[in-house]
Amino acid sequence: GAVVSQHPSWVICKSGTSVKIECRSLDFQATTMFWYRQFPKQSLMLMATSNEGSKATYEQGVEKDKFLINHASLTLSTLTVTSAHPEDSSFYICSASRDRRLLGEQFFGPGTRLTVL
Amino acid sequence: AQSVAQPEDQVNVAEGNPLTVKCTYSVSGNPYLFWYVQYPNRGLQFLLKYITGDNLVKGSYGFEAEFNKSQTSFHLKKPSALVSDSALYFCAVPEAAGNKLTFGGGTRVLVKP
Repeated sequence: GAVVSQHPSWVICKSGTSVKIECRSLDFQATTMFWYRQFPKQSLMLMATSNEGSKATYEQGVEKDKFLINHASLTLSTLTVTSAHPEDSSFYICSASRDRRLLGEQFFGPGTRLTVL
Repeated sequence: AQSVAQPEDQVNVAEGNPLTVKCTYSVSGNPYLFWYVQYPNRGLQFLLKYITGDNLVKGSYGFEAEFNKSQTSFHLKKPSALVSDSALYFCAVPEAAGNKLTFGGGTRVLVKP
């Protein structure tokens, strides 16, 4: 149980276009979803936290107009990279938690590799 | 603020030898500590966690971790490493409330045949 999927697994786009990445909890309802960014050989950087039906909370330094997060339901969150540029190329990972009382419990998706040409 | 540190960027070990990946923590209150593994181009997989109780925690894939309060450490161990254990390992600690995690910098493990 507790499976999280991401779609697409990889995407290549032209500079200036927008890209949407989906994160789904397949067999549980996610009270909270998290979006991370990871550069090669580096740790995960938390971008934002989203709760169903409310606005996402962005980490310091993350442009909320650049990285739009929508948490439409208890099983789906989307990250849209708007007007993507080559510096946005990265590995994006989402995770989901099902119970805020369980400190630190997160289930991770397989990641989405974004390459902006 | 809660934090964890992984002092080694990379650990090299021969197959069959013991593997240790180090993690030290700085937390207020009782620590909850996690270990995750990431294989190339994949998300993170949960290995084990310490919440309370026994200082030796057993997890997935034959890994275990020892919680040491006096040394504020939570080192990950495996008695006999496999080539397939080659991956990126992360230690993590949750915020004081909620599910937000803070990760260490990661340690790359390379197990050579």
